[in-house]
This record gives sequence, C-alpha cells and structure tokens, in this order.
Amino acid sequence: QQQVKQSPQSLIVQKGGISIINCAYENTAFDYFPWYQQFPGKGPALLIAIRPDVSEKKEGRFTISFNKSAKQFSLHIMDSQPGDSATYFCAATSQGGSEKLVFGKGTKLTVNP
Amino acid sequence: NAGVTQTPKFRVLKTGQSMTLLCAQDMNHEYMYWYRQDPGMGLRLIHYSVGEGTTAKGEVPDGYNVSRLKKQNFLLGLESAAPSQTSVYFCASSSDRGRFGQPQHFGDGTRLSIL
Repeated sequence: QQQVKQSPQSLIVQKGGISIINCAYENTAFDYFPWYQQFPGKGPALLIAIRPDVSEKKEGRFTISFNKSAKQFSLHIMDSQPGDSATYFCAATSQGGSEKLVFGKGTKLTVNP
Repeated sequence: NAGVTQTPKFRVLKTGQSMTLLCAQDMNHEYMYWYRQDPGMGLRLIHYSVGEGTTAKGEVPDGYNVSRLKKQNFLLGLESAAPSQTSVYFCASSSDRGRFGQPQHFGDGTRLSIL
C-alpha cells in the first residue's frame, strides 16, 4: 500500500524555469510533510517542510503548496539551476502516532544549462 | 562534525554469506532508522529504534536483524544474504519523531551487491 504517491518520476527543465513536483497522500492523520533532496552518491537531506495549518511555505527559491482538502502537496522550484539537479522525495508522517516517515518514490530532476 | 557515518561504503557478498552494516551518529539522537533504496521504489524502512536497547520492524524487515546496544550505534545484519537484498542502504537518525525542525539526518549509504 503506497501511502504517498509522487509524480512525475523524472523531470527535465531548462535553467531559469520552474520545476513542479506533486505528491498525494491517503492517511488523514498525517500532519508533517517534509521534502528531501538527494544528490548522487549522497544521503537524502531535508530541504523544506510544511504542516497542514498553512497553505504555503517558502524558503528562497523553494516553495511548498499544500491543499488539505485534496490531500495533495507540491514542491515548486523557481528559477531552477543546474545545481538543483537531484532526486527529490516527498514524505509524510503523523506526530501523534508513528515515528516513521513514509516516502514517495522520488523524482529525478535534471536542469539543463 | 561527522553526523551519521556508515561503514562500509561498498561491499560485494556471495549468496548465503552474512555481514553487518554499522551506523554511528554523534548527535546524541534517540531515534535511528535503516532504509533501503532501490530504483523506482523510493526509501523503504527496514527497522528502526526509538532508543538504546529498543528495535522495531519497519515496512520490509524480512531477512534483516538489528541491534541498538549503544545509543550512538545501530547495526543492521544480514544473516544469509540473497540477491534480492542488493540495494543501497541508508541509516538515519533524529532527535524526535521527525517533528518540525527535527529532521532525519542521513548517512551517505552503503552500496551492497549480492552475487
């Protein structure tokens, strides 16, 4: 049972463009939604996270949009740069229950110069 | 400031062999996790620990065992390796349940091939 569905599987954008990665979840108990960034040969690292009491969170060029009623959230990368080329994972968990993060299957982003 | 260190970084095993993967963290974190990452499958939780002396099963625990004898170390064991266990293994730690501002910190992985 895949609790967090992520799309697309891969994404190619031009430098300066907007990258958009979408995730949908099923468990209404989820209340913490982080995004992790992973470069080749490295472990994932937290990029940005959101909780469901806000609809948007922005950190620099990275923005999470959250739609609680649709149970969807997305990562927007503005002015995408070649250095943003990495695999991005969305995730979800419930603070009041499990300690476990449930990850999406990942999106490989390539930003062409 | 090492963070999460995984040993070894690479290993090739033959089917049926056993081995132990070591994870060490220097952040005094309570929670530690072992994941496997396979192409197109994302990160799947194998086992985790919420404190010294505790372990619990994750999503894909079969064929693996773990131990947390010391707070800073979390060991992942393969008793009889199978080709299906060829993967990249990541260890992570966190000071809490992944709450806001308390992310999981990952090591750089162990690439394991089983022939």
